[in-house]
Amino acid sequence: DTAVSQTPKYLVTQMGNDKSIKCEQNLGHDTMYWYKQDSKKFLKIMFSYNNKELIINETVPNRFSPKSPDKAHLNLHINSLELGDSAVYFCASSQDRHFSEKLFFGSGTQLSVL
Amino acid sequence: KNQVEQSPQSLIILEGKNCTLQCNYTVSPFSNLRWYKQDTGRGPVSLTIMTFSENTKSNGRYTATLDADTKQSSLHITASQLSDSASYICVVKCDKVIFGPGTSLSVIP
Repeated sequence: DTAVSQTPKYLVTQMGNDKSIKCEQNLGHDTMYWYKQDSKKFLKIMFSYNNKELIINETVPNRFSPKSPDKAHLNLHINSLELGDSAVYFCASSQDRHFSEKLFFGSGTQLSVL
Repeated sequence: KNQVEQSPQSLIILEGKNCTLQCNYTVSPFSNLRWYKQDTGRGPVSLTIMTFSENTKSNGRYTATLDADTKQSSLHITASQLSDSASYICVVKCDKVIFGPGTSLSVIP
């Protein structure tokens, strides 16, 4: 069983389009995250939700909107995609919000904006 | 400024050899430090966690050390295998989580 699963694995789209990435975790964790990994492999946190409540919202363009229908799901919707949005996006989860627990990552979604 | 640096940026070693990866951090207040392994095309996976009171911790062929005084951690890999080829990321927790840039390790036959 995959603990943290995200879809799609690859996403190729044109500039200006709107796209969504879905994430689900079956670990029973309370906290979920979205990270962006750029071409230099730096991982940067974008958002964090704890029990469907937004707790971290880093400096991210408001074209990015997370949605958490329940604590097992955290989806990422991106409007008006730009070339600079091309990156690998990782969903992750942890038992609690305090980062004491280890992060469990999905396999990533490679987004290419043409 | 809270910062995590790793060296070397990349490393190539022969299968069976040992290697050591370094992590230097300037964060305050320090809470814990984790090493993650990221295989190509996959998400990072936690290898070990080091807290303030721990100097050394092993996980199979991986041994992590922590010197809280000098704010340095190392990850030693013994008898490397081809499957050790990956990026190794040092992550330090203070009041937030700071990711290092990673070290890319290639183990060649």
